[in-house]
Amino acid sequence: EIVLTQSPGTLSLSPGERATLSCTASQSVSSSYLAWYQQKPGQAPRLLIYGASSRATGIPDRFSGSGSGTDFTLTISRLEPEDFAVYYCQQYGSSPMYTFGQGTKLEIK
Amino acid sequence: EVQLVESGGGLVQPGGSLRLSCAASGFTVSRNYMTWVRQAPGKGLEWVSVIYSGGSTYYADSVKGRFTISRHNSKNTLYLQMNSLRAEDTAVYYCARDAHRCSGGSCYYDGMDVWGQGTTVTVSS
Repeated sequence: EIVLTQSPGTLSLSPGERATLSCTASQSVSSSYLAWYQQKPGQAPRLLIYGASSRATGIPDRFSGSGSGTDFTLTISRLEPEDFAVYYCQQYGSSPMYTFGQGTKLEIK
Repeated sequence: EVQLVESGGGLVQPGGSLRLSCAASGFTVSRNYMTWVRQAPGKGLEWVSVIYSGGSTYYADSVKGRFTISRHNSKNTLYLQMNSLRAEDTAVYYCARDAHRCSGGSCYYDGMDVWGQGTTVTVSS
């Protein structure tokens, strides 16, 4: 079973700063099958990144994804007030078929 | 407009049953992979089930044998039949379109790109 571990659990930053969120898999994951989501309180998740590095439709270019194998990163280059939320990584393809990380909460410092 | 609207959530006693619906507009359910994802109060996201465009279905171990995913093509609607409900099934249930594409002999996963607003299921006596 693939386990995705996200770090840190909580990240406290100020608007304008750079955010780096990590997702580590317990075994190698195809980068083609790695996605990132943003979730705000009371809302459904929103797809940000698929294929480890491709931005979904309408996602600003301050969001970028990278990584391969077991280590993946979501970077937000300059934080906007609306970016403070919980972020999840997710993989598809290995048993279980879909796995989410436990999430990183990005909060305003 | 591409949209998913869930319904059918509510309060149910342990051991009871509930059927969730997810009505799609702007795209065809039967031509896509469709998933259910849940989120227990204050917790993270948990994948529940998927139905492939070809009709194959898969379940998380936590719901296998109790939940059934299906679709009604003419109604363009996805369903989740939930039986033998337990307190730990209490969650917001989301349906989502699961985007896959194949090109040149390779297949790619484009993520869960359309989500419903969620419907709340509470299992309690």
